[in-house]
Amino acid sequence: KAGVTQTPRYLIKTRGQQVTLSCSPISGHRSVSWYQQTPGQGLQFLFEYFSETQRNKGNFPGRFSGRQFSNSRSEMNVSTLELGDSALYLCASSLEQGGYEQYFGPGTRLTVT
Amino acid sequence: GENVEQHPSTLSVQEGDSAVIKCTYSDSASNYFPWYKQELGKRPQLIIDIRSNVGEKKDQRIAVTLNKTAKHFSLHITETQPEDSAVYFCAAMDSGTYKYIFGTGTRLKVLA
Repeated sequence: KAGVTQTPRYLIKTRGQQVTLSCSPISGHRSVSWYQQTPGQGLQFLFEYFSETQRNKGNFPGRFSGRQFSNSRSEMNVSTLELGDSALYLCASSLEQGGYEQYFGPGTRLTVT
Repeated sequence: GENVEQHPSTLSVQEGDSAVIKCTYSDSASNYFPWYKQELGKRPQLIIDIRSNVGEKKDQRIAVTLNKTAKHFSLHITETQPEDSAVYFCAAMDSGTYKYIFGTGTRLKVLA
């Protein structure tokens, strides 16, 4: 089976712009979670989608949003980018919610200038 | 709020020695505890996990122990090899919300 894929892998944006990141889970996986990884804060949970519905949300401002499509692919959007949004954004998929093994994608490296 | 503390932040061991990384969680509703290994420039990879109804789990040179009463769990790597060098993350999943909280990571260096 193909692993979790994320596009694009690298992105450079300027402050104030918006960005959309995409995640394709492992075939058959229905849950997709998004994380922000920074050197100072480690892995921070953004949100989780299951069956096209956001099931969980972390402590991030409303500028961060996402969605999931019927084929389980997910996108996350960040509006009005700030310098502090520079990070590696990882998505992870699992078969179902709740204690199933999570598999991570390679991440999208976002740099905000 | 939920919190997972991970120690140490860095760990250097000689090749062949054992390494132990410890995590403490705050949410008593946590019932699933995975460990991830992240090599430089690569994605985190699940290496072992444990559920709250089990006290210990082993997979070759890697083992995880869980003490529910004390709310802590540990990763044990025996006979370390240079390829074990990486950042290791622990995590705890809340059984009610299915939300994962990660520890801040441990950078393990295995010296040849």
